[in-house]
Amino acid sequence: RKEVEQDPGPFNVPEGATVAFNCTYSNSASQSFFWYRQDCRKEPKLLMSVYSSGNEDGRFTAQLNRASQYISLLIRDSKLSDSATYLCVVEYNNNDMRFGAGTRLTVKP
Amino acid sequence: SAVISQKPSRDICQRGTSLTIQCQVDSQVTMMFWYRQQPGQSLTLIATANQGSEATYESGFVIDKFPISRPNLTFSTLTVSNMSPEDSSIYLCSVGYGNTEAFFGQGTRLTVV
Repeated sequence: RKEVEQDPGPFNVPEGATVAFNCTYSNSASQSFFWYRQDCRKEPKLLMSVYSSGNEDGRFTAQLNRASQYISLLIRDSKLSDSATYLCVVEYNNNDMRFGAGTRLTVKP
Repeated sequence: SAVISQKPSRDICQRGTSLTIQCQVDSQVTMMFWYRQQPGQSLTLIATANQGSEATYESGFVIDKFPISRPNLTFSTLTVSNMSPEDSSIYLCSVGYGNTEAFFGQGTRLTVV
């Protein structure tokens, strides 16, 4: 089993749609959780951290379920600029990060 | 935050040769990480570079193939040795500050011909 597994995608959605990405992780000792965004031919950049209580940043909502070892990202009112690959990232300790394979999102006009 | 300067940004190399990638950080960091991202795939950790000790390699990666230097707290190099076309990939360095955001260099796009 992979350490971090994500929806394979790709997701092709129209502008304004709501899209959800799911991610599961295998190591119950994982300490921190993140969603990163990677644009084509660019390095990954932090989109948001994921907290047990759930957290929201504008159109983006992240959820963590430690019991199920499950992480989600919800994007509301999709914009063309949201088109990217979204990486689920799980950290064990000391920045030892494990990346999911990424889910590619394309938002179309 | 951290600003990482990684170079070269891209290179085309002959098989059998070696390429050294450099990462310079604008602040002192204890640990630096080297990743590989093959086409269409996510990042795979190659090794963790610790200042003052040998790098720690992940399963499937060995020091003879990917020697790493970490001469001080702001700099590291990764060498891809005796390259073959299978080594064509993007290589990224990364730093972080304990359970918080990780910052990445811009990546080195390597093509081996």
